[in-house]
Amino acid sequence: DGGITQSPKYLFRKEGQNVTLSCEQNLNHDAMYWYRQDPGQGLRLIYYSQIVNDFQKGDIAEGYSVSREKKESFPLTVTSAQKNPTAFYLCASSFNQQGPKNIQYFGAGTRLSVL
Amino acid sequence: AQSVTQLDSQVPVFEEAPVELRCNYSSSVSVYLFWYVQYPNQGLQLLLKYLSGSTLVKGINGFEAEFNKSQTSFHLRKPSVHISDTAEYFCAVSVPPAYNQGGKLIFGQGTELSVKP
Repeated sequence: DGGITQSPKYLFRKEGQNVTLSCEQNLNHDAMYWYRQDPGQGLRLIYYSQIVNDFQKGDIAEGYSVSREKKESFPLTVTSAQKNPTAFYLCASSFNQQGPKNIQYFGAGTRLSVL
Repeated sequence: AQSVTQLDSQVPVFEEAPVELRCNYSSSVSVYLFWYVQYPNQGLQLLLKYLSGSTLVKGINGFEAEFNKSQTSFHLRKPSVHISDTAEYFCAVSVPPAYNQGGKLIFGQGTELSVKP
């Protein structure tokens, strides 16, 4: 089955610790995105990547880092600099930014909590 | 820049009643419009989209939406809801590739639809 797989489903972070959220897709999509969801605030874009080995900051990139070494994978690291990391994190992907094929499909999410 | 406002944070309705979830957007350029649904602790699923053409768009699960350019709205409707429609609904916009914004989606704050028996 084609789709987007996020892991783990639940993650706990200790103070001062970096944690990495995994996002893998087998849809042959070029573009991948990371969003953060907080209650009552909708989804906010953290980082996005339109092509391998390239990525751009979104609206709330501070305290986060990403890499895009493979087309299928776009891991997100929540660093110790992110002081309020508790949230639901969603990964999405799309074919590319060209025209009607730019429909974003979402993974099931990772819920991150601070111990 | 684009922005999206969902006018109701919560909408309670009775089963088999009609429902409308309101969405207004702001943009100085043309936009693509989307409605997504999110069931508890899950990702987002695309309900429907407006890219161009007919302003009345039909989606999955019996939902439809109408694009109104003059009112900058894209309200979601269903004539008769079921208990299983209980979820959070998000309106979102993006701009066409010519504006080179990487296909980013701008989301509204979400509307919780609660269908009661």
